[in-house]
Amino acid sequence: DTGVSQDPRHKITKRGQNVTFRCDPISEHNRLYWYRQTLGQGPEFLTYFQNEAQLEKSRLLSDRFSAERPKGSFSTLEIQRTEQGDSAMYLCASSLAWGEGDTEAFFGQGTRLTVV
Amino acid sequence: DAKTTQPNSMESNEEEPVHLPCNHSTISGTDYIHWYRQLPSQGPEYVIHGLTSNVNNRMASLAIAEDRKSSTLILHRATLRDAAVYYCILRDLSSGDKLTFGTGTRLAVRP
Repeated sequence: DTGVSQDPRHKITKRGQNVTFRCDPISEHNRLYWYRQTLGQGPEFLTYFQNEAQLEKSRLLSDRFSAERPKGSFSTLEIQRTEQGDSAMYLCASSLAWGEGDTEAFFGQGTRLTVV
Repeated sequence: DAKTTQPNSMESNEEEPVHLPCNHSTISGTDYIHWYRQLPSQGPEYVIHGLTSNVNNRMASLAIAEDRKSSTLILHRATLRDAAVYYCILRDLSSGDKLTFGTGTRLAVRP
């Protein structure tokens, strides 16, 4: 297993367009997390899944954002009608659920979104 | 979520030990103390975690105060590759399983 992979690594889009990012977690991990990070700040939690169930969503996640994890494997994060304020690094992480062995989360290298 | 306080930045000389402090005065009994670091242009990576006792692994040591209101991440011999932002995080099983990051400590290592 090569770790958590995210695609694409970079995305430039025009304001108002829709974008979709993909995350492939470590195969045996049942937890999958999405974070957003802007320059000089720590990652901000957006949402997380256990298997295919979305267990928590941050208030940061407006109606324009939607995340899915069909079949409990890969996940997608879609942003509709992008705004310049959506420009950020979007990070995905995966882990085993607490109490199921390892507790560390593994992060991907992120997708950098630039909205022009 | 319980909050942590870290210095914005620190500097160290290469091959010298580094002590990165973290205050968490509102920590609860079920909070685990986690440390992650983020190298430039990378996602965060796990460093170490603990509950009450001091912990050692191949990357670092974690010293936890007896009252658990503070902790220190210790890098025994800093290298240039240790230059990163270090995040101290409290992870509480009872309020979900997410990691809540602050702004961390930016560590610079001088050759």
